Amino acid sequence: NAGVTQTPKFQVLKTGQSMTLQCAQDMNHNSMYWYRQDPGMGLRLIYYSASEGTTDKGEVPNGYNVSRLNKREFSLRLESAAPSQTSVYFCASGTPGYTFGSGTRLTVV
Amino acid sequence: DQQVKQNSPSLSVQEGRISILNCDYTNSMFDYFLWYKKYPAEGPTFLISISSIKDKNEDGRFTVFLNKSAKHLSLHIVPSQPGDSAVYFCAAIQDGGTSYGKLTFGQGTILTVHP
Repeated sequence: NAGVTQTPKFQVLKTGQSMTLQCAQDMNHNSMYWYRQDPGMGLRLIYYSASEGTTDKGEVPNGYNVSRLNKREFSLRLESAAPSQTSVYFCASGTPGYTFGSGTRLTVV
Repeated sequence: DQQVKQNSPSLSVQEGRISILNCDYTNSMFDYFLWYKKYPAEGPTFLISISSIKDKNEDGRFTVFLNKSAKHLSLHIVPSQPGDSAVYFCAAIQDGGTSYGKLTFGQGTILTVHP
């Protein structure tokens, strides 16, 4: 039982490049989330999806887009990466007490 | 506006002693609180939670206390073990049926337990 799987684990982008972070869960959860973790800031919610077909903004959505492809998959897209988006990104699914993936460490240079 | 605050960036304790991690919140609408534990290069893992209708919840070596009037919660680990060394995040949620599980996290406290 894999839980929440994130790909890639590491990525280096140049400013202005785009990329998509992938997330998949195998727990049949309705809700999925994207958070970013920055030093001294804790985890901050970027976007969430309460159920398949719906997405909504969290606390820090600027510069990001999301797609809930189906019940299992929730992707996060950076259209034009900026150094301020250097962070560790976590996907999660379920209800509070939910399960997190192992993260994607993204560096934008 | 940091609605959930962990004012101690780090805590160091001796093995076998008690670890007390603290968390304060400002939003009086929060009614469910959680603690997560995070090891390096891993995602956070859920540890323990408490509803606002309770003031204490216990699970093995871990106990969470909630003081609603002070808007303060704490996590007690007794006895502390070296394997408890990790970053601990407190989190809160306003569960009005429309929150969809959106958690607000504190900044985290690094706990180091020395053998």
